[in-house]
Amino acid sequence: DGGITQSPKYLFRKEGQNVTLSCEQNLNHDAMYWYRQDPGQGLRLIYYSQIVNDFQKGDIAEGYSVSREKKESFPLTVTSAQKNPTAFYLCASSSQSLGTGPKSSYEQYFGPGTRLTVT
Amino acid sequence: GQNIDQPTEMTATEGAIVQINCTYQTSGFNGLFWYQQHAGEAPTFLSYNVLDGLEEKGRFSSFLSRSKGYSYLLLKELQMKDSASYLCAVRDRRNAGNNRKLIWGLGTSLAVNP
Repeated sequence: DGGITQSPKYLFRKEGQNVTLSCEQNLNHDAMYWYRQDPGQGLRLIYYSQIVNDFQKGDIAEGYSVSREKKESFPLTVTSAQKNPTAFYLCASSSQSLGTGPKSSYEQYFGPGTRLTVT
Repeated sequence: GQNIDQPTEMTATEGAIVQINCTYQTSGFNGLFWYQQHAGEAPTFLSYNVLDGLEEKGRFSSFLSRSKGYSYLLLKELQMKDSASYLCAVRDRRNAGNNRKLIWGLGTSLAVNP
C-alpha cells in the first residue's frame, strides 16, 4: 500500500538535545512538507521540498533543519535552538505532476504524525 | 495579506445537516481544500474547489464563491464518527512559484451528539 510513514509516534527528549524525526513516502511524490501543529494555532509550515536536493524555509524554520537526499525521505531535525519544540509534527507529500489542468488538486497526503515532548 | 476565517466550534445532532463556513482573503487564489482531522491523527483530504459552484462527494459537499472569498463544507446525515476538526486551506499562486504551498485556517471543531 502506498502512503507516508512517520516514526516514532511519540518521542521524548531532554532540553538541549537535537532530535531527528523521520518521514518516508512511497507515493512517488516530488514535493514534501513538514508542519507543526499546536493547540489553537493550526498547521504551520516549517520546511518544504519540491525536488531531491532542494528545500525551502517555511514560515517557522528557525531552530529546524532538513535534508532531501532521496525522493522518498525528508527527515526533520529539531535542534536545541528551537525554543518551544514540544508539538505535534506532521509530514506531508504531494504530486508534482501537472495533472489535467485547473481542476488538478495536488492535494497533500499526511503521515500519522510524531508527538514530540521536550522536558 | 493572506487570511482564512472559520468558526472555532460547532455542535450538531446525529442524522442532521451541518454547514461549516470558511472565508478567505488572498490576491492569488488558486484552489481551496477541506480536510478532516480526528483528534491526535493526521488530516485527511475531503474536497477541492477551484471553480465556483458545488462539488458533491457522497455525504460531503463543498461550495466555492471566488468573488465572495467564501466556501462552505456541507455534511449530511451526520454520524458520530464525523466528530472531528475540519480544516480549510487555500492555495495562493503568489507563493514563490511553489504551486503547492497552502495557507491553513485554524480549523472548526465539530461535535456530533446522539
